[in-house]
Amino acid sequence: RKEVEQDPGPFNVPEGATVAFNCTYSNSASQSFFWYRQDCRKEPKLLMSVYSSGNEDGRFTAQVDKSSKYISLFIRDSQPSDSATYLCATAPYGNNRLAFGKGNQVVVIP
Amino acid sequence: DGGITQSPKYLFRKEGQNVTLSCEQNLNHDAMYWYRQDPGQGLRLIYYSQIVNDFQKGDIAEGYSVSREKKESFPLTVTSAQKNPTAFYLCASSTGLAGGRRYEQFFGPGTRLTVL
Repeated sequence: RKEVEQDPGPFNVPEGATVAFNCTYSNSASQSFFWYRQDCRKEPKLLMSVYSSGNEDGRFTAQVDKSSKYISLFIRDSQPSDSATYLCATAPYGNNRLAFGKGNQVVVIP
Repeated sequence: DGGITQSPKYLFRKEGQNVTLSCEQNLNHDAMYWYRQDPGQGLRLIYYSQIVNDFQKGDIAEGYSVSREKKESFPLTVTSAQKNPTAFYLCASSTGLAGGRRYEQFFGPGTRLTVL
């Protein structure tokens, strides 16, 4: 079983909508969670880190439900510039390794 | 300006040849990683190093080799034994220190390797 599962999409959403991405993870020992943004043919860039139940930065909110092993990312008032692939990651191994999901691809349509 | 550099950006290799991908960081990070990304496959860990002169195999180490002689450098060699080497290769680093932020990985711009 994979450590982190994501539905790859793509998800097409209209500009201004709230977008929600979800990941599930398998190892209950995970205490740190991350969302990365990856543009086409570019490297992933760290978007948000979550060390408790949630984090918020502008239009972006990340939440973790540890009882369900569920990680969520919300983008409010989505913009065409938000179009990208969003990868979630956890730290389940007890060392510095991360487990990554395959990513959610979103296209925000003007 | 701190960051991670990878070179070259694009690399073409003939089948049967070994090739070395460069990764350098000036973030003073202890831990470094090599990933491979194929379409639809996500990030797969090849090798990682938590400290100088030490490294461990990741999930897909066969056909690859690494060295970690200096803290700032973690080169990856793709050998002729790697069956399907054409991919996007990403290097990353993290502080490796105790505490929650040690897991935050920062990526270089990547190298696209094509085997002809």
